[in-house]
Amino acid sequence: GAGVSQTPSNKVTEKGKYVELRCDPISGHTALYWYRQSLGQGPEFLIYFQGTGAADDSGLPNDRFFAVRPEGSVSTLKIQRTERGDSAVYLCASSLKGSRMGSYNEQFFGPGTRLTVL
Amino acid sequence: DAKTTQPTSMDCAEGRAANLPCNHSTISGNEYVYWYRQIHSQGPQYIIHGLKNNETNEMASLIITEDRKSSTLILPHATLRDTAVYYCIALSGNTGKLIFGQGTTLQVKP
Repeated sequence: GAGVSQTPSNKVTEKGKYVELRCDPISGHTALYWYRQSLGQGPEFLIYFQGTGAADDSGLPNDRFFAVRPEGSVSTLKIQRTERGDSAVYLCASSLKGSRMGSYNEQFFGPGTRLTVL
Repeated sequence: DAKTTQPTSMDCAEGRAANLPCNHSTISGNEYVYWYRQIHSQGPQYIIHGLKNNETNEMASLIITEDRKSSTLILPHATLRDTAVYYCIALSGNTGKLIFGQGTTLQVKP
């Protein structure tokens, strides 16, 4: 079946511009996660959705970052007034359900969107 | 969140077992140990997880020490396609968010 898809695969923008990154999770997965990965580093958690609501947005670096999931499926990560430091690969993952601590929660990752801010 | 410590890099000969260690001395009693790997230019991929008992699946085996302060991921017959960064993670909180460290870069050599 189809995995997690992310669009665009690459995005080049200029400093100060607004960008939207899209994630299509696996059908039926209620939990959706956004991470970002800088070169040479492990992925860094940004935000977690359970259904339509953001259950944990503690990883968003500042108020320029915002994410939505209005119908509990597709999610959009929005970045305002982009800065060069926002350049990274943005990864989306979904899982069948949100996780109580320790319970099985295999996350399926998409290929990521590579964002470059010039 | 329990911190995990892994060696930066390891080499393994093709066809041999790859043993990847992880220290998690501050792990709490109800935190599971998860392993993911990331092949170059791809998203991370789940491998295995465990709490106390050793676990095995079609990809790997996970050995957790009795005191749970460390674990070892074993790839029984490494292939060139197993070259990747391997992340050991103590699952955080009740949201399932993954806290990745630097991981171990495993290079499988012919």
